[in-house]
Amino acid sequence: DVKVTQSSRYLVKRTGEKVFLECVQDMDHENMFWYRQDPGLGLRLIYFSYDVKMKEKGDIPEGYSVSREKKERFSLILESASTNQTSMYLCASSWDRGGYGYTFGSGTRLTVV
Amino acid sequence: AQSVTQLGSHVSVSEGALVLLRCNYSSSVPPYLFWYVQYPNQGLQLLLKYTTGATLVKGINGFEAEFKKSETSFHLTKPSAHMSDAAEYFCAVKSANNNDMRFGAGTRLTVKP
Repeated sequence: DVKVTQSSRYLVKRTGEKVFLECVQDMDHENMFWYRQDPGLGLRLIYFSYDVKMKEKGDIPEGYSVSREKKERFSLILESASTNQTSMYLCASSWDRGGYGYTFGSGTRLTVV
Repeated sequence: AQSVTQLGSHVSVSEGALVLLRCNYSSSVPPYLFWYVQYPNQGLQLLLKYTTGATLVKGINGFEAEFKKSETSFHLTKPSAHMSDAAEYFCAVKSANNNDMRFGAGTRLTVKP
C-alpha cells in the first residue's frame, strides 16, 4: 500500500512563527500536492510539484512556500503564520499524468493563535 | 479550467434508503472524475474513478457512479445506506493533460437509524 505520512496530526503555533509541515511518500510517486481544507470550501490547492526541485503555484499560494529537495519529501512552509491560516492541511501524491487518483496523508490540523 | 459543483452540502438519509450525492463538472477537455470519502479526522480515501470506457463505475463499499457527458454529471449512488457510510464525500476532476485535481466543496452524509 502507498503510504503518505504527514509528520504531525495537530499543531499549535503563534502568529508570526515560521511553520514547517512535512510530508513523505514511500511509493516513488512523481507528483506531490498540498491542499488546505476548510468547511464549506472543500479542498483548495496551495502548491504542487511534478519533480524534485520543481514547484508550481496552485489556487491559493499566498503566504506559503514549498520545498522538494528529495523525491519522497514535500514540505509546506508558512513564512509568518497568521490566524487565517488555521486549517486542516492535506498532502497527497500520485503517479505521473493520467487517470490515477491521489493518495492522501491523514492531515495536519494547524491552529495559529 | 476545470471545476466541480456538488449540490447539497448536507444530505441525510435513513439506514437502508438510497444514497444519492450529486456532482456536476466543468472541463474543456475529456475529464477524469473521482469520488473520495473522508471519515472524521482522517485523510481522503478513493471510492471510485472514471477515466475511459464503461460509464458506470463501481467502487468500494457498494458505491457506484455514472458518467453522463451530456449532463456533465458524475453522481454517486448506493442502493442501501449503512450507518458506517456517514462521512464527508468529495467529487473531483482532472484532465488527461495535466495532473492537478480540483475538488468540490464536499457533501456531508448523515445516516439516521
